[in-house]
Amino acid sequence: AQKVTQAQTEISVVEKEDVTLDCVYETRDTTYYLFWYKQPPSGELVFLIRRNSFDEQNEISGRYSWNFQKSTSSFNFTITASQVVDSAVYFCALGGYQKVTFGTGTKLQVIP
Amino acid sequence: DAGVTQSPTHLIKTRGQQVTLRCSPISGHKSVSWYQQVLGQGPQFIFQYYEKEERGRGNFPDRFSARQFPNYSSELNVNALLLGDSALYLCASSLEAATSGANVLTFGAGSRLTVL
Repeated sequence: AQKVTQAQTEISVVEKEDVTLDCVYETRDTTYYLFWYKQPPSGELVFLIRRNSFDEQNEISGRYSWNFQKSTSSFNFTITASQVVDSAVYFCALGGYQKVTFGTGTKLQVIP
Repeated sequence: DAGVTQSPTHLIKTRGQQVTLRCSPISGHKSVSWYQQVLGQGPQFIFQYYEKEERGRGNFPDRFSARQFPNYSSELNVNALLLGDSALYLCASSLEAATSGANVLTFGAGSRLTVL
């Protein structure tokens, strides 16, 4: 069975602070995919990143960075110098055979 | 280019009724997936269709069914509605081929169903 745990339900930070969103996953598959999606107040989920289980390189995209550690089954997401527009619910997801399993999400509030 | 479009955006039904939700994928996307998102939770996988064939099914009762048409649009049907079916129903399309677990998904804005 697949499982994704996002232990942080809600996080509040002041603008320009860095923030890390945690994601821990469980799977018995040897090949799998990890995702992060953003759901702003408008409701439409937006894709941010996909990694496969064989690629543990960390990735940086502008103010966003992702740390994939297979040894701890974690795929954490860091926003550097947060901005008000980053306020949203962020979902970590695990893609295995035939389905994608989402975590319960972390609501990030960036206070001006 | 139009994104994933869903209709209706909101609807209210009573217990026992049936509902049909519609989804048009991004042009060129042949894979469509349906998800249920209960308030405060993450989306839960219901179905995936690729080239009009069901390629994946989540842990939902048989009251839930779906189909994909030759133009790759899709419908989700829910029969004998229960209060617990109240949720945001999300459709997502993908350019990629059949393995649904690997697909990058482009989501629509959803259809919010309220069952009274």
